[in-house]
Amino acid sequence: QSALTQPPSASGSPGQSVTISCTGTSSDVGAHNFVSWYQLHPGKAPKLMIYEVDKRPSGVPDRFSGSKSDNTASLTVSRLQAEDEADYYCTSHAASNNFYVLFGGGTKLTVL
Amino acid sequence: QVLLQESGPRLVKASQTLSLTCTVFRDSISGSVYYWSWIRQHPGKGLEWIGYIYYSGSTYYNPSLQSRVTISVDTSKNQFSLRLSSVTAADTAVYYCARARVIAARPDYFDNWGPGTLVTVSS
Repeated sequence: QSALTQPPSASGSPGQSVTISCTGTSSDVGAHNFVSWYQLHPGKAPKLMIYEVDKRPSGVPDRFSGSKSDNTASLTVSRLQAEDEADYYCTSHAASNNFYVLFGGGTKLTVL
Repeated sequence: QVLLQESGPRLVKASQTLSLTCTVFRDSISGSVYYWSWIRQHPGKGLEWIGYIYYSGSTYYNPSLQSRVTISVDTSKNQFSLRLSSVTAADTAVYYCARARVIAARPDYFDNWGPGTLVTVSS
């Protein structure tokens, strides 16, 4: 099973919006709504930002939103802030095996 | 808020076995609504899922690592552990433990992670 495809980098200025894509196949991302997104800051525990495509955990700012179209999921960060600069990873599961986790390659988000 | 903390040797010699433990605070590892997982990140690379364990002891591993991985649980200590045998330099990584929420009888998203621990394999 191949990893999910993310752009290696994305950037935007404070106040702008940025969208990060996560492309899989009809056998994983396109097969169900088990897509989640994580924020990684160096030296800190990774943080869940979005789960089940578009659900936001308590405490995550509403500037973060998720969506999906066919085999591609997306994370949008609106009204960018300096603290949003981090690495972002998407995950999904293989439809043929609920216990097999696929990660995207990660996207480095830079706030200019 | 649950806390997870990884512990174990930071330096392992090649060909030996890497052993890490994740201690869970403020939650019971025996709950039926979570799976417990190990995930790693090679230096400068992306995340790689290693495996899951349920409190009952049921395990699920990444096929690419299955021959070398053992994940176990100790409910009396509220801990779960990772053993990775025959390590090489390619196993040098930050190792994270994480909690996965059960949805529809299967693990879904990782809702809490430990801070991670860097394990270096030396020759």
